[in-house]
Amino acid sequence: DAKTTQPNSMESNEEEPVHLPCNHSTISGTDYIHWYRQLPSQGPEYVIHGLTSNVNNRMASLAIAEDRKSSTLILHRATLRDAAVYYCILIYSNTGKLIFGQGTTLQVKP
Amino acid sequence: KAGVTQTPRYLIKTRGQQVTLSCSPISGHRSVSWYQQTPGQGLQFLFEYFSETQRNKGNFPGRFSGRQFSNSRSEMNVSTLELGDSALYLCASSLASGAYEQYFGPGTRLTVT
Repeated sequence: DAKTTQPNSMESNEEEPVHLPCNHSTISGTDYIHWYRQLPSQGPEYVIHGLTSNVNNRMASLAIAEDRKSSTLILHRATLRDAAVYYCILIYSNTGKLIFGQGTTLQVKP
Repeated sequence: KAGVTQTPRYLIKTRGQQVTLSCSPISGHRSVSWYQQTPGQGLQFLFEYFSETQRNKGNFPGRFSGRQFSNSRSEMNVSTLELGDSALYLCASSLASGAYEQYFGPGTRLTVT
């Protein structure tokens, strides 16, 4: 299973953009990049995923480096509700197996 | 659409007993995965079922088993419970097996005494 590396924690101010980085230098051509987050006392929640191109949805944007060895999850305007642990996960296209690392704990300050 | 439901939400068992947890996926979803979450080990993949077949398995002992029914509902069973099995057990469903987004249920909190 390909590994990802994320900072342990990050801080942001409310209503400011947040860029959460993820390194995945051993990514293979068929690995998808998924992001999930887990709010306190809840199960993980799907955020966004991509393969090669940048992706946008109502929750966030995903910027993928040209060589695919890193990606960045972008929250355009952080709210207090975005305080959570964010996980960057690589998934082989043929399997639904999510391997969670320790993720990045995002703190949002009012 | 209703989300993923898990029953029971809380369970207390004693060592040596066995337990069965249930998961009902989102309607139309055919893949169900199970995860264990503990403070020490974080979130760990247990297994994935698709079309009543186990597609993937994590690194857990044989005491952990599961199955999926024709309506995609899934159960996981843990036999001969140990104190270390105390955890939050999460189930997630997705449309199919593969790199699809997974939707998690609220989990079953199992305490082994």
